[in-house]
Amino acid sequence: DSGVTQTPKHLITATGQRVTLRCSPRSGDLSVYWYQQSLDQGLQFLIQYYNGEERAKGNILERFSAQQFPDLHSELNLSSLELGDSALYFCASSHEQYGYTFGSGTRLTVV
Amino acid sequence: LAKTTQPISMDSYEGQEVNITCSHNNIATNDYITWYQQFPSQGPRFIIQGYKTKVTNEVASLFIPADRKSSTLSLPRVSLSDTAVYYCLVGRGGSQGNLIFGKGTKLSVKP
Repeated sequence: DSGVTQTPKHLITATGQRVTLRCSPRSGDLSVYWYQQSLDQGLQFLIQYYNGEERAKGNILERFSAQQFPDLHSELNLSSLELGDSALYFCASSHEQYGYTFGSGTRLTVV
Repeated sequence: LAKTTQPISMDSYEGQEVNITCSHNNIATNDYITWYQQFPSQGPRFIIQGYKTKVTNEVASLFIPADRKSSTLSLPRVSLSDTAVYYCLVGRGGSQGNLIFGKGTKLSVKP
């Protein structure tokens, strides 16, 4: 257990639908990052939050959004889903002293 | 963030030492070099980080020449369980900023 918890582990949904992925960071970590990994692709950075505020944006589509709540957990919202959104979505959290820790991911399948 | 170049894939046999080299010609003075390991359907896992010369931990060694334009991850006596993708990242140390992953090196260890 890395300390970063992602739910659900698996998600199957239809095109056009909307889903929410949840991430609980390691205790004490203020930063949360979201990454997308498609089949045989590298990890693509989507977005970073630090203590509730958006800190950096990567290759995140307009159909996607995220937020970090006061208790520091984060949610990634994916809407108007397309087949190409099928991927593994990873959350990571970081601490100034202890570095980055990744969760085990949510596998999203859009059918 | 400095761009990195590493081999797409490498093959090895159990018990051998594996060296994976990463080029990062544009590394900045404040940048650290970090290596992550990723198994299929799992989040990346921190292996080792260094700034210059040599760093060793219980898992691997990291060799960094004086010009810091490249680095070599050394895995001693690999086993089948070391089959994974290895990513070289260059950026500010600690947990500042999002991690930018390249394609990584897919290491296949054969019996």
